Amino acid sequence: AQSVTQLGSHVSVSEGALVLLRCNYSSSVPPYLFWYVQYPNQGLQLLLKYTTGATLVKGINGFEAEFKKSETSFHLTKPSAHMSDAAEYFCAVGETSGSRLTFGEGTQLTVNP
Amino acid sequence: DVKVTQSSRYLVKRTGEKVFLECVQDMDHENMFWYRQDPGLGLRLIYFSYDVKMKEKGDIPEGYSVSREKKERFSLILESASTNQTSMYLCASSSLSSGAMYEQYFGPGTRLTVT
Repeated sequence: AQSVTQLGSHVSVSEGALVLLRCNYSSSVPPYLFWYVQYPNQGLQLLLKYTTGATLVKGINGFEAEFKKSETSFHLTKPSAHMSDAAEYFCAVGETSGSRLTFGEGTQLTVNP
Repeated sequence: DVKVTQSSRYLVKRTGEKVFLECVQDMDHENMFWYRQDPGLGLRLIYFSYDVKMKEKGDIPEGYSVSREKKERFSLILESASTNQTSMYLCASSSLSSGAMYEQYFGPGTRLTVT
């Protein structure tokens, strides 16, 4: 089975600062990788995904992530944090068989004024 | 827009009660999933279904069952609710088409409290 590790359950940044949320995965085959965001009292919303092709993936709200096979990483970045980015972020990897996703434990992002 | 709806946003039940959580999707997706979300544990898969009347156990199926009689509807059943089942329950759906496989769409969640 795949596994996903998100480093840091809580990340705090100042408004306008770089956002970096870390995700490492284990997979025996080329993975499908996802980042989801969850705003308070809502379900999860897809931010971006990597399937094949370009390793730098752009998503909604100015976020992007880079697939690095050699590091088994898929870190999420945004150049300049906004107050509205405060939310919980989940990294996920697709299982090798079937349509399941395995999720990381989540990272709560706080943006300080 | 894909829409996944869940029957209740908040639910309070007593220990021992039978609880039904309903989920409906409107995009003709083959796959449907039930997760529970707890602080520090992320999302854990309870059950999933890839077709009508088909179901597969996820990582934490104990104490739960599911029903899928129609393609658009997937129900989670707590046969005898216990306090350790107090949690946020999330439903999701996805298509089997190769371009969209794995991409799951989520409902708003049901926060269940068992007292």
